[in-house]
Amino acid sequence: GENVEQHPSTLSVQEGDSAVIKCTYSDSASNYFPWYKQELGKRPQLIIDIRSNVGEKKDQRIAVTLNKTAKHFSLHITETQPEDSAVYFCAAPPRGSNYKLTFGKGTLLTVNP
Amino acid sequence: KAGVTQTPRYLIKTRGQQVTLSCSPISGHRSVSWYQQTPGQGLQFLFEYFSETQRNKGNFPGRFSGRQFSNSRSEMNVSTLELGDSALYLCASSPDGVRPNEKLFFGSGTQLSVL
Repeated sequence: GENVEQHPSTLSVQEGDSAVIKCTYSDSASNYFPWYKQELGKRPQLIIDIRSNVGEKKDQRIAVTLNKTAKHFSLHITETQPEDSAVYFCAAPPRGSNYKLTFGKGTLLTVNP
Repeated sequence: KAGVTQTPRYLIKTRGQQVTLSCSPISGHRSVSWYQQTPGQGLQFLFEYFSETQRNKGNFPGRFSGRQFSNSRSEMNVSTLELGDSALYLCASSPDGVRPNEKLFFGSGTQLSVL
């Protein structure tokens, strides 16, 4: 099945700095790559996603890049703010599945004021 | 529009008991998925339902089961509870019946503690 590895597991940055979280996936047939943000005690929320026919997607201060050859995708957050502090999860669908996602183990991002 | 609603928010059970968790999806969403979240394993897929049919199941023992009703509400049942079943159980609904793993809207979850 699909294996999604996420790095780093924790990341601490100063407010205003950039943060980058990277995920690698094993199934070359995966075609959809979302990122979810989960604040402490709250539900995971989709923040950005990308399909395999696109190399990069931006939404204000966040962006996702995809390298299909290397089978990795990354979340980039610029001008970080304290409210960006949360656990971020990447995910990818296992081969042939439109029904489920395999999630990475998560990255705890702390933005220090 | 109301979000995904899960009840109860917290549950404490003892080993051997069974438990039923409930999920009401966003109005109009017909796909409901369930995930188990633990600190060690992260989010793991349990099953997905659409139009009262289970279309996909994750690698969990048969003690984990679910169902979906005609109004798209879903329930999940765990029988013969084990200590390792302690986790946050998340329900998610999707507006896309063809690719329900996209645009997931999660509920706040039910925190199950097994003593």
